[in-house]
Amino acid sequence: NAGVTQTPKFQVLKTGQSMTLQCAQDMNHEYMSWYRQDPGMGLRLIHYSVGAGITDQGEVPNGYNVSRSTTEDFPLRLLSAAPSQTSVYFCASSYSSRVGLYEQYFGPGTRLTVT
Amino acid sequence: DAKTTQPPSMDCAEGRAANLPCNHSTISGNEYVYWYRQIHSQGPQYIIHGLKNNETNEMASLIITEDRKSSTLILPHATLRDTAVYYCIVSFHGSGNTGKLIFGQGTTLQVKP
Repeated sequence: NAGVTQTPKFQVLKTGQSMTLQCAQDMNHEYMSWYRQDPGMGLRLIHYSVGAGITDQGEVPNGYNVSRSTTEDFPLRLLSAAPSQTSVYFCASSYSSRVGLYEQYFGPGTRLTVT
Repeated sequence: DAKTTQPPSMDCAEGRAANLPCNHSTISGNEYVYWYRQIHSQGPQYIIHGLKNNETNEMASLIITEDRKSSTLILPHATLRDTAVYYCIVSFHGSGNTGKLIFGQGTTLQVKP
């Protein structure tokens, strides 16, 4: 298993540009999520999905869109990049059951700089 | 969401046990205690979790007090590769869970030769 993969590893954008961060998992996990981590800070939840076709907002969703057309993929789209979105972005996935979620597996991260 | 309190940093000698404390005095009955760690610049890594009983796996042991208001993560024989930020997180484990993990500042563990 490759686990959770993220592309690209690094990206530099100019203010106003849009782009999509890719996330894929091969563990057949129903739950997937996106976090951002600013320097010296903990992770904050952007969006999450409990299954294909279902997404919901986390605590910092503004400026980001997500979709979940397949179980494996959960892309994060930046609509119009701003310097405040300079951060490291982590995707995570988890097995879930009727009783809830289990341990979450994180990808290696995408380091985004917006100038 | 319950909050946790951890010391900002700790040192440990290589080969010795590392004991990382966590206070979670407002934890509710259906919340689990999770531990993750983040080695420099990498994605967080799950270590262990528990509800009220002590737990052990190949990475660590988790000791939860009887009143569940605090816990200790034990790395039995710390190595230099265990140098990382360790996060103690309490999270609801029931259905409808958003899966949100609240990462605080964690404890930076420095393992020294």
